[in-house]
Amino acid sequence: DTEVTQTPKHLVMGMTNKKSLKCEQHMGHRAMYWYKQKAKKPPELMFVYSYEKLSINESVPSRFSPECPNSSLLNLHLHALQPEDSALYLCASSQDRQGDGYTFGSGTRLTVV
Amino acid sequence: AQSVAQPEDQVNVAEGNPLTVKCTYSVSGNPYLFWYVQYPNRGLQFLLKYITGDNLVKGSYGFEAEFNKSQTSFHLKKPSALVSDSALYFCAVRDIPGYSTLTFGKGTMLLVSP
Repeated sequence: DTEVTQTPKHLVMGMTNKKSLKCEQHMGHRAMYWYKQKAKKPPELMFVYSYEKLSINESVPSRFSPECPNSSLLNLHLHALQPEDSALYLCASSQDRQGDGYTFGSGTRLTVV
Repeated sequence: AQSVAQPEDQVNVAEGNPLTVKCTYSVSGNPYLFWYVQYPNRGLQFLLKYITGDNLVKGSYGFEAEFNKSQTSFHLKKPSALVSDSALYFCAVRDIPGYSTLTFGKGTMLLVSP
């Protein structure tokens, strides 16, 4: 299995809703990442988990809450989002060795109404 | 600090012609360099990477890239473009020694016309 699987593919939520994005990989990768991407822009790093511990938080607002239940799963909990949070949310994983690139999922297209 | 520059927002090429998408980088140590491609509403797909060794790196879908240390460049090339190559291309860098995450360029849209 050489894939990163993200669910759901599309999500529409109100500003008072609570929802979660899920990411799963079975490649034995020890680092997992959340990125936010606006249309035709590069991905912006949000969070990095290394060996199931949060190692980087790029000053992301607290309405985004990451969770890594185990080495294969990564969640992003969403609460009280704003319309400007609408974007493509990408999950990625890597072996966390410096020569390794990242394997990306197809993303969740989030729309906040 | 590490950074990547992709000087062109868009590259237009006719099908069958060679294509080049430019990338220059800045790192404090030796670089690991990557190219990714993104099709509409999809994640990023890995094309190729340079770590060490031959300056010409071959990757997926007939793409290749040339590492030039003196010019700090890592341009993506393909001898004969296909319409299906039309997509958004990102160059990324990770420097060594020391731990760092990937830093992406702003992206270059490649449009291949029939």
